[in-house]
Amino acid sequence: AQTVTQSQPEMSVQEAETVTLSCTYDTSESDYYLFWYKQPPSRQMILVIRQEAYKQQNATENRFSVNFQKAAKSFSLKISDSQLGDAAMYFCAYPSNFGNEKLTFGTGTRLTIIP
Amino acid sequence: DTGVSQDPRHKITKRGQNVTFRCDPISEHNRLYWYRQTLGQGPEFLTYFQNEAQLEKSRLLSDRFSAERPKGSFSTLEIQRTEQGDSAMYLCASSPLGQGSHEQYFGPGTRLTVT
Repeated sequence: AQTVTQSQPEMSVQEAETVTLSCTYDTSESDYYLFWYKQPPSRQMILVIRQEAYKQQNATENRFSVNFQKAAKSFSLKISDSQLGDAAMYFCAYPSNFGNEKLTFGTGTRLTIIP
Repeated sequence: DTGVSQDPRHKITKRGQNVTFRCDPISEHNRLYWYRQTLGQGPEFLTYFQNEAQLEKSRLLSDRFSAERPKGSFSTLEIQRTEQGDSAMYLCASSPLGQGSHEQYFGPGTRLTVT
């Protein structure tokens, strides 16, 4: 069974600083995708960044980047120049490869931005 | 069309009552998912539709739960004889059908409280 583990229930960072959220996963697949989703308080969950496992280059979206270590099954999210609007729950997620692409989520990391 | 919508946003019901939730996906999206999220946890997959066909149901979906997607448009999730353990946020998501792994667009959720 696929599992996704986020070992940091809560993290905090000073505004404008950099923070890294960790995620590990377990899969027997060789080709797959990984996602980071953001869930702001009382707001909808949105996709932050996506990584394709067959691509060696780490994905980057503006201030958000990942450190993807396929052999270690590690997928961490780095947020640079943290902003107050980054405060949210962050979930690492793994979509099933078996046609339905249902997502398996980690337990999440609550990120607090300190002004 | 501005995104996935869910109705109601909040529902308080007494144990033993039936409840029904509605999800309107993004109009051109073939895939529709239901997830359940309890406090402090990541969302857990419940069921998946491709157009009007319900293609997968999680073991979490007991026989008190039923979901439909008539005509492949909106979907409903019904819980019969609600129990206190059903209290959770019920999230709906939709995505297009195609090659590769696609972002799932989430609705705001329906928060169910069973008293």
